[in-house]
Amino acid sequence: GAVVSQHPSWVICKSGTSVKIECRSLDFQATTMFWYRQFPKQSLMLMATSNEGSKATYEQGVEKDKFLINHASLTLSTLTVTSAHPEDSSFYICSASREVRLAGGPGETQYFGPGTRLLVL
Amino acid sequence: GQNIDQPTEMTATEGAIVQINCTYQTSGFNGLFWYQQHAGEAPTFLSYNVLDGLEEKGRFSSFLSRSKGYSYLLLKELQMKDSASYLCAPMDSNYQLIWGAGTKLIIKP
Repeated sequence: GAVVSQHPSWVICKSGTSVKIECRSLDFQATTMFWYRQFPKQSLMLMATSNEGSKATYEQGVEKDKFLINHASLTLSTLTVTSAHPEDSSFYICSASREVRLAGGPGETQYFGPGTRLLVL
Repeated sequence: GQNIDQPTEMTATEGAIVQINCTYQTSGFNGLFWYQQHAGEAPTFLSYNVLDGLEEKGRFSSFLSRSKGYSYLLLKELQMKDSASYLCAPMDSNYQLIWGAGTKLIIKP
C-alpha cells in the first residue's frame, strides 16, 4: 500500500505557458500533501504543504501566485506553474502523508510520487 | 538553525556492509526518516526511528541516538541496485522533514 502517482511524468513547454501537475494517492487517503522541487545534485526543497479543503502553506521564497496549489480531495492535489519560464525547469515531486497508528510504526510517513520533469524552453 | 551532516559520497563493494552516518540539529524532534533516491527518481521510504536504538528491516537497519543527534543506516549484503543517494531526514517540532543533500553510495563489483 501507500502508492502515490503523478501526472504527467515529463513536460516540455514554451516560456509563458502554464503547466498543471496532478498528484494522487491511489490506495489511501492523504491527510496532507507536499510539493517539492529538486534541482540536479541538490537536496529536496519543500515548496508548499497542503491539506484537503484549505489553502496551502507556502515556504519562504515560493511565490504563491506563480505556483498555484489546489487540494480538492483527500486523494488529489494539483500544482499549476503559471507563466512558466526556463528557470522553472526542474524536477517537481509530490508526497502524500499517511497517518499510521501501529506499534513501533511511523506516525506520519511521506510517500513520494514518481516526480514530474519540467523543461521550459 | 537546522542542519544535517552526511558524507557526500561513499564507495563500497558488492556483498559488503556499509554504514552511512548522519548527525542533525533540529528545532524539536519527531523522529528521523531514511529515504533512498535513485538517480532521476523520487525518494522511496526506507525506515523511521523515533526511539533510541536499532530498527532492523531485512538487509537495511537504522539506528538512532536522540541525545547525540545521531543516526546511521546500515546496509548489508550490498547489491549493485543499492547504488543510490540515501537521505537522512529528521522531522522537526512542526512535523516538517528537514532535507539534506544526502549521501551518494557507489557500489563496485
